[in-house]
Amino acid sequence: NAGVTQTPKFQVLKTGQSMTLQCAQDMNHEYMSWYRQDPGMGLRLIHYSVGAGITDQGEVPNGYNVSRSTTEDFPLRLLSAAPSQTSVYFCATIGGKGNSPLHFGNGTRLTVT
Amino acid sequence: AQTVTQSQPEMSVQEAETVTLSCTYDTSENNYYLFWYKQPPSRQMILVIRQEAYKQQNATENRFSVNFQKAAKSFSLKISDSQLGDTAMYFCAFMEYGNKLVFGAGTILRVKS
Repeated sequence: NAGVTQTPKFQVLKTGQSMTLQCAQDMNHEYMSWYRQDPGMGLRLIHYSVGAGITDQGEVPNGYNVSRSTTEDFPLRLLSAAPSQTSVYFCATIGGKGNSPLHFGNGTRLTVT
Repeated sequence: AQTVTQSQPEMSVQEAETVTLSCTYDTSENNYYLFWYKQPPSRQMILVIRQEAYKQQNATENRFSVNFQKAAKSFSLKISDSQLGDTAMYFCAFMEYGNKLVFGAGTILRVKS
């Protein structure tokens, strides 16, 4: 049982380049989300989805796009990378309501030069 | 918006001793969930313990326990018999309606031999 799988683990981009961070889960969870982790700021919510075809913005959505065409996948797109997007990105899912913890992927370390 | 504050950026403790990590939060909701997550150098996010606000009894998981003070909006984590493997970043998190998690900035805990 893979749980939540994020790819790639590491990525270096030049300013202005685009890329997609992949997140796949095999737990049939409806709720999926993306966080970024920066020193001294904890994890901040970028975008989330409560089911296929439904997405919404979190605390720091600017510069990122998401889509949710299937229950399993929730990709995060950077259309024009900026140095301020250098961070560690986590995908997380929840299987139920508030009494269920988040299941995290192992993170993607992104550096934008 | 809900906020979570961890006032201790770094803590250290001797092996086998007890340490308490502080967390306060701000919310106007009455029913919610609180979590402590551990992030070792591997970057993996690991759930340590969770507390439901409607439960007065403090949660306990082996060597980890919480002191939940709802009126004071405080949720501290006590680690007993500290082990070298407890060295990690610890995040306090608050779950609001809609399964969105708000994280504190984190506390780095170093266990010394």
